[in-house]
Amino acid sequence: DAGVIQSPRHEVTEMGQEVTLRCKPISGHDYLFWYRQTMMRGLELLIYFNNNVPIDDSGMPEDRFSAKMPNASFSTLKIQPSEPRDSAVYFCASSLDRGLNTGELFFGEGSRLTVL
Amino acid sequence: TQLLEQSPQFLSIQEGENLTVYCNSSSVFSSLQWYRQEPGEGPVLLVTVVTGGEVKKLKRLTFQFGDARKDSSLHITAAQPGDTGLYLCAGRSNTGKLIFGQGTTLQVKP
Repeated sequence: DAGVIQSPRHEVTEMGQEVTLRCKPISGHDYLFWYRQTMMRGLELLIYFNNNVPIDDSGMPEDRFSAKMPNASFSTLKIQPSEPRDSAVYFCASSLDRGLNTGELFFGEGSRLTVL
Repeated sequence: TQLLEQSPQFLSIQEGENLTVYCNSSSVFSSLQWYRQEPGEGPVLLVTVVTGGEVKKLKRLTFQFGDARKDSSLHITAAQPGDTGLYLCAGRSNTGKLIFGQGTTLQVKP
């Protein structure tokens, strides 16, 4: 059974360029999360979706970040324009049961972004 | 804002030693999870604790949720090199968000 699939695994780009990260959640999962991980700030929740609808985007740093989920099997996180401080590992995770108490998150392997 | 603080941030020990990692907050969480992350991979769930005072064991790992549901600990007995990794606690807030601590990097030397 395939897990959460993210692409690309690594991206190196120059400041000002547009970056698009992609995620395919586990089939049947109805929650999708985007996290960002850095040494300084750890894992930060950026946004999450339920049944393809954005529920909470309060963690999105600023207007340069946007996320979409056009269908149950695909989501994108876009940064435009990118800045060096956006360099981080971006994780997508999905969950079958957000479960106020017990929902387990299944993470992808992450997309490591470097903005020069 | 609900925050989770983990300690220590880094731990380097010899194989066979015991260790405890702490996860503390001033806020109450409806549940708390522990994840383990290896380099180049995403975090993987180890355990979920829900009830205040709950203790769960997973082989050599013992997890405890504080009575007031504000803190948790992870104790590893007789650590092995395979236990090396980043250990993350994550609390479920009253809005359902999963908030992660900064993590504890554990290195177990053979």
